[in-house]
Amino acid sequence: DQQVKQNSPSLSVQEGRISILNCDYTNSMFDYFLWYKKYPAEGPTFLISISSIKDKNEDGRFTVFLNKSAKHLSLHIVPSQPGDSAVYFCAASGHSGGSNYKLTFGKGTLLTVNP
Amino acid sequence: DAGVIQSPRHEVTEMGQEVTLRCKPISGHDYLFWYRQTMMRGLELLIYFNNNVPIDDSGMPEDRFSAKMPNASFSTLKIQPSEPRDSAVYFCASSPGTGVAGELFFGEGSRLTVL
Repeated sequence: DQQVKQNSPSLSVQEGRISILNCDYTNSMFDYFLWYKKYPAEGPTFLISISSIKDKNEDGRFTVFLNKSAKHLSLHIVPSQPGDSAVYFCAASGHSGGSNYKLTFGKGTLLTVNP
Repeated sequence: DAGVIQSPRHEVTEMGQEVTLRCKPISGHDYLFWYRQTMMRGLELLIYFNNNVPIDDSGMPEDRFSAKMPNASFSTLKIQPSEPRDSAVYFCASSPGTGVAGELFFGEGSRLTVL
């Protein structure tokens, strides 16, 4: 009963092109969404987030889109660079229970950017 | 600045042995989290603390698992007795409770193998 689903275990993209990573969620109580990036042998690091009151948030080459009616979010990376090769985790939290910090993570998508 | 420090980085033990994982959060961070990463289940929240007090331990799999935070700069996750299915990477993370909601700072993880 995964509440946050990343259905693509892996994605391969050419350098300079757009990478689109997808995430679906089932819990309608989630109202804050985040993307984390993880290199091998390191812990995940925060990349970008979006509140449910927005449908888009942009930070440099990274843009996150949220479609609440579809319970779907996506991370766009453009242009993709070889250094972006990593595992990307989608995460969600809700205000119910009083904490923004109880994150539910997806299983991750391995992005490979080929030179 | 030092990040979240976890030890040991790698632990190989035999079934039935006690395992203790240690974490030093970033100074000044009020929240501390223990996550477990496996291929099957991805990143799962086990327990989190706020100001050294356990807030939510609903993710702790069973009584064999226990976590403590005796002070603001140290936490332990103990498994006794350990079983092969406990093999995973265990991450500790901390958060200041301010700034970007849900932004956690992860350690590099402790890879546990139970034979």
